[in-house]
Amino acid sequence: KQEVTQIPAALSVPEGENLVLNCSFTDSAIYNLQWFRQDPGKGLTSLLLIQSSQREQTSGRLNASLDKSSGRSTLYIAASQPGDSATYLCAVGYNNNDMRFGAGTRLTVKP
Amino acid sequence: KAGVTQTPRYLIKTRGQQVTLSCSPISGHRSVSWYQQTPGQGLQFLFEYFSETQRNKGNFPGRFSGRQFSNSRSEMNVSTLELGDSALYLCASSFTGPSTGELFFGEGSRLTVL
Repeated sequence: KQEVTQIPAALSVPEGENLVLNCSFTDSAIYNLQWFRQDPGKGLTSLLLIQSSQREQTSGRLNASLDKSSGRSTLYIAASQPGDSATYLCAVGYNNNDMRFGAGTRLTVKP
Repeated sequence: KAGVTQTPRYLIKTRGQQVTLSCSPISGHRSVSWYQQTPGQGLQFLFEYFSETQRNKGNFPGRFSGRQFSNSRSEMNVSTLELGDSALYLCASSFTGPSTGELFFGEGSRLTVL
């Protein structure tokens, strides 16, 4: 069964702190992995897409890594800001266009 | 470049009614996938269309259906609404498909069933 788990479910940090969000998946035969941000009541905004052949992707203060063999991905956020407060979801793409989402990590960055 | 557009944004229905939601993908994208998001179940895949053909379907009852038009716009329909159908319905578009290309989501349609 293809399951995606995100830990922790919620995280609160002071502004300026570096932080790591975790995503694990049970089936390592993935096509890609994508990190999204979701603000309350809104759709998902794509942050980073990692293809199965890649180990990491970077965009600004965000860095995502992928370790297929261990079934893990991490999203690293540097120098967090209050505007980073949102729910972060990882999604794992499998064959037949099957996409599995984690339950998300709700991040609060306090000023 | 226009993003993914979903209409309506909010709607209220009563049990037993039916509803149709619309999704216009990013220009050039041929894949449209639909998801249901609830606090208890999270994001769950409904179905995906590519060039007017349904390629994959999630584990939802037959009351949930969809279609895609030649211009890639997609609609989903839920018949005989139940209270448990209250959710945020999201659609996403991509060039090749949800698991092979980058996904772009709309703002969602929030359905409340009374």
